[in-house]
Formats: sequence, structure tokens, C-alpha cells
Amino acid sequence: TQLLEQSPQFLSIQEGENLTVYCNSSSVFSSLQWYRQEPGEGPVLLVTVVTGGEVKKLKRLTFQFGDARKDSSLHITAAQPGDTGLYLCAGPNSGYALNFGKGTSLLVTP
Amino acid sequence: EAGVTQFPSHSVIEKGQTVTLRCDPISGHDNLYWYRRVMGKEIKFLLHFVKESKQDESGMPNNRFLAERTGGTYSTLKVQPAELEDSGVYFCASSLGLWSGRAVDEQYFGPGTRLTVT
Repeated sequence: TQLLEQSPQFLSIQEGENLTVYCNSSSVFSSLQWYRQEPGEGPVLLVTVVTGGEVKKLKRLTFQFGDARKDSSLHITAAQPGDTGLYLCAGPNSGYALNFGKGTSLLVTP
Repeated sequence: EAGVTQFPSHSVIEKGQTVTLRCDPISGHDNLYWYRRVMGKEIKFLLHFVKESKQDESGMPNNRFLAERTGGTYSTLKVQPAELEDSGVYFCASSLGLWSGRAVDEQYFGPGTRLTVT
């Protein structure tokens, strides 16, 4: 099993601040996905990164895949309370099974 | 379009009892997955169906867990007999099953069933 380590585990910031969360592994992944999960709901896919060095933007969220395809980061610009949630990274294990990190729990206060 | 639904949302049972969880995937999705999150741990893969066939059950913890998907539509996950360590949130996901060679396609997750074994 390819392990994914996410940091920080918890993050509490004020509205308007910027933040970066990280997803690291000692293994190479063919792709990585980022999900967001809210209480009482299942994870929802935000983005899939496939190419080493790839950068994808989703409004105020910027996702980057490391050159060696072992790590990824998620940067949020000018965080808003609506960004509050659990951010999970995941990569394919064998076939279609996904390996997940433990997640970063983000709280954005007004 | 309805998303993935799971029933029940919560279940509290005693050790040794049996529980059956149900998942209804998005219509037209041949691929169905079960995952579990135990408190303090990451979400872990349990198994993968393609239509009614088990494609990958490498994540099933032991033979107390039985998953079925008769007719290739909804799926059930039975735990018999339940143990304390089975407590957690069980997620079901479904997808079209498209593989690009580098990335799996989007898996749509249900809200989960929170199982508590006392």
C-alpha cells in the first residue's frame, strides 16, 4: 500500500488569509486527486493531477503535482468560511482502488 | 440526477450482532466501491465491483465481511458477527469506470453509514 501523508492535520485561519496544505509520499503515483469532505457527507472530487509539475487552478484553489509525482500541494488564496472542511488527497493503488491520506481539517473563521 | 445513497445513515449494534449496510449507486454506474474510515485513520478501500462481479476485494478485513451486488445494481455489505473494531464510517462510491492509463475516473461518494459496535 502506498502511504500518503498530509500536513498539517489541522488548520484554523481567519477569512482572507492564504494557506497551503501538503500531501507527500515516498512512492510515485500515476496521478493524485484532491477531495473535500463536509460533515455528514462523502468526499467530493475537486481535481485530478496527472503530469509531474502540473498546476491546476479552480477559482481560488491552486493544485500542484510534484515533478517526481510523489507529492502535491493545495494552496487557497483569500480563504472564505465556505472553504471550511476536510481536504483529502488520494492516489490510485492497484486498479481503481484509491489510497487516501488522513486529511487536513480546515476551519476558516469570519 | 440522484447521487449515491446509503442506508442506514447510522447503526448502533452490540458486539456479536449482524448488520447489513446498503448502497444504491448512481444509475448507469457499473463500478461500485466500498471504503471504510475508522476513527483516527485514513479512508481505506474495501472492495470494488464491476457490475455484479467482485473485481478487487483485497481490502476486505476478514471473512466476517460479505459484500454482494446481485443484478449489478445496489450493493449490500454484511458484517457478521460484528466486533468492536468494526466501528467506523462506511462509504460507498460509484463511477463509470473509465481509466485513462494514468488516472481513475471520478468516484462519487455517498454520505456514509456510521456504524457503532458496543
